[in-house]
Amino acid sequence: EDKVVQSPLSLVVHEGDTVTLNCSYEVTNFRSLLWYKQEKKAPTFLFMLTSSGIEKKSGRLSSILDKKELFSILNITATQTGDSAIYLCAGSGSARQLTFGSGTQLTVLP
Amino acid sequence: GAGVSQSPRYKVAKRGQDVALRCDPISGHVSLFWYQQALGQGPEFLTYFQNEAQLDKSGLPSDRFFAERPEGSVSTLKIQRTQQEDSAVYLCASSTQGLSNQPQHFGDGTRLSIL
Repeated sequence: EDKVVQSPLSLVVHEGDTVTLNCSYEVTNFRSLLWYKQEKKAPTFLFMLTSSGIEKKSGRLSSILDKKELFSILNITATQTGDSAIYLCAGSGSARQLTFGSGTQLTVLP
Repeated sequence: GAGVSQSPRYKVAKRGQDVALRCDPISGHVSLFWYQQALGQGPEFLTYFQNEAQLDKSGLPSDRFFAERPEGSVSTLKIQRTQQEDSAVYLCASSTQGLSNQPQHFGDGTRLSIL
């Protein structure tokens, strides 16, 4: 059975801090690792990673995948209160569906 | 539309009633997925369509759950004889093509509360 584990479960930081969110996975016939940000509504797509060692970056957010060690990290630099959300990691394999972790609840205090 | 649209946003039903949840995917998206998200958890897969064909329904928790996508666009998730444990947010997602290396885009979900 596919499994995705995220850590920490929750994190409280102050504006301007840098955070690292962790995701480990066990996915049959792994194809990609995805990160989503979920506020009150729909999970919004952040990154899809398919290759090891290649960093994907969007503004203050970046992510990287290690297919040998089966994990990914999501970094957020210079955090802002608008970054407060649940960050979900999901693995995709030979089956079409995504297997999600429980998420990391990030709270950024002003 | 620009994004995945789900309705209703909120649904309250009494235990034993039937409910129907609607998903209108992004135009042209071939693949459509339903997920169930319990409070404090990540979404869990329910079922998957490619066009009108339901290719995987392994995540449906019981035979009270039924999904259809008759014309390959709008999909309906139906829950019969609802029970309290069915209370959750039901998310719909769509993606281009039937490949697992395309990101899924989610709707805002339907929050279902069973009294």
